[in-house]
Amino acid sequence: DIQMTQSPSTLSASVGDRVTITCRASQSISSWLAWYQQKPGKAPKLLIHKASSLESGVPSRFSGSGSGTEFTLTISSLQPDDFATYYCQQYSNFWTFGQGTKVEIK
Amino acid sequence: EVQLVESGGALVQPGGSLRLSCAASGFTFSNYEMNWVRQAPGKGLEWISYISGGGETIYSADSVKGRFTISRDNARNSLSLEMNSLRAEDTAVYYCARLQSGNFFTSWGQGTLVIVSS
Repeated sequence: DIQMTQSPSTLSASVGDRVTITCRASQSISSWLAWYQQKPGKAPKLLIHKASSLESGVPSRFSGSGSGTEFTLTISSLQPDDFATYYCQQYSNFWTFGQGTKVEIK
Repeated sequence: EVQLVESGGALVQPGGSLRLSCAASGFTFSNYEMNWVRQAPGKGLEWISYISGGGETIYSADSVKGRFTISRDNARNSLSLEMNSLRAEDTAVYYCARLQSGNFFTSWGQGTLVIVSS
């Protein structure tokens, strides 16, 4: 099974900050990685797929990079609507999610 | 507009059974692979079951294999999850989710809560 590990688990930031979340895979997954945003009581929302492809309608302040085993999600300038929990998900071999990174207000 | 609406969540005793349903609309249901993903209270997301568009191929996570069964009725645009031998650790919000080309989850329902407790 492929394990996905995100860091940090919690991140405190202010509006306007540049934020980076890291996701590591236990083995190479090429670029078969997606990122989701989830707000309390809501379903996850797809942000990025194939490591760096922005889903239609997602603001351009979100970007993804990486390949192999190490990936990052960057929010270039944090907005009030971005305070949420973020998950990475691999789809190289079945489907596995990271444990999540909560972005909270500093 | 794609819509997925889950139902069937309830409080059930350990060892009990439950059937979840997901009603799909806004897309050609039979063309899409469907899944169940769950989230325990305060925890992360866990994929648990997959079914191909025609229903011929099914995969399940080890955590539910032999206890949960996914199925679909393409004539009724409906996805189901039959859950048997329920355990406390099965307590979670259960989401149905549409898969894009076997890869990532593009659409999710609002979730239905299953609580396993005596």
